[in-house]
Amino acid sequence: GESVGLHLPTLSVQEGDNSIINCAYSNSASDYFIWYKQESGKGPQFIIDIRSNMDKRQGQRVTVLLNKTVKHLSLQIAATQPGDSAVYFCAEYGQNFVFGPGTRLSVLP
Amino acid sequence: DAMVIQNPRYQVTQFGKPVTLSCSQTLNHNVMYWYQQKSSQAPKLLFHYYDKDFNNEADTPDNFQSRRPNTSFCFLDIRSPGLGDAAMYLCATSSGQGGYEQYFGPGTRLTVT
Repeated sequence: GESVGLHLPTLSVQEGDNSIINCAYSNSASDYFIWYKQESGKGPQFIIDIRSNMDKRQGQRVTVLLNKTVKHLSLQIAATQPGDSAVYFCAEYGQNFVFGPGTRLSVLP
Repeated sequence: DAMVIQNPRYQVTQFGKPVTLSCSQTLNHNVMYWYQQKSSQAPKLLFHYYDKDFNNEADTPDNFQSRRPNTSFCFLDIRSPGLGDAAMYLCATSSGQGGYEQYFGPGTRLTVT
């Protein structure tokens, strides 16, 4: 069967609080970044993207921050809801898309 | 609705028995990707097509092949599946190569017995 998977880092937040999920990327030449949400048994779903000429981008309830100096990306989710529970992946594009290891977000009632 | 479709959703094959996974898209996108995702891990790119131009990742085993007969369809062939090939296989598309959003299908979960 499958090899034993790694334990994903888990972030637990209370419903209604804000969530911050962090990602360190590896390639200083990467110029495009995406955050994906993946629910159990489903494919990744696009949340928000940002290009390297920006340091912040906002969507509906979500904000992505990019710090190129330290190669760090974060996803902020405002007023976290139970439906936000999922695994979140950052992906960077340099020559190809490379996904980060993922963070499991658990929303507590 | 325009979408990425993968069939079947669940596939069981025997050790060493060739298997083909299918992906189709109604988005008319130029680029199609195949990813392998193992439990609690990130998706790992196997290869992609830009139109008919095939691009293989350096560490993708030779056991994995792909075909894209037309814009809409792309197939993943596993010539001799091993137990380590059991995983979720994700197909994705994008309108261009590079910094473009990828649209993912629901995946096919492959079990090797």
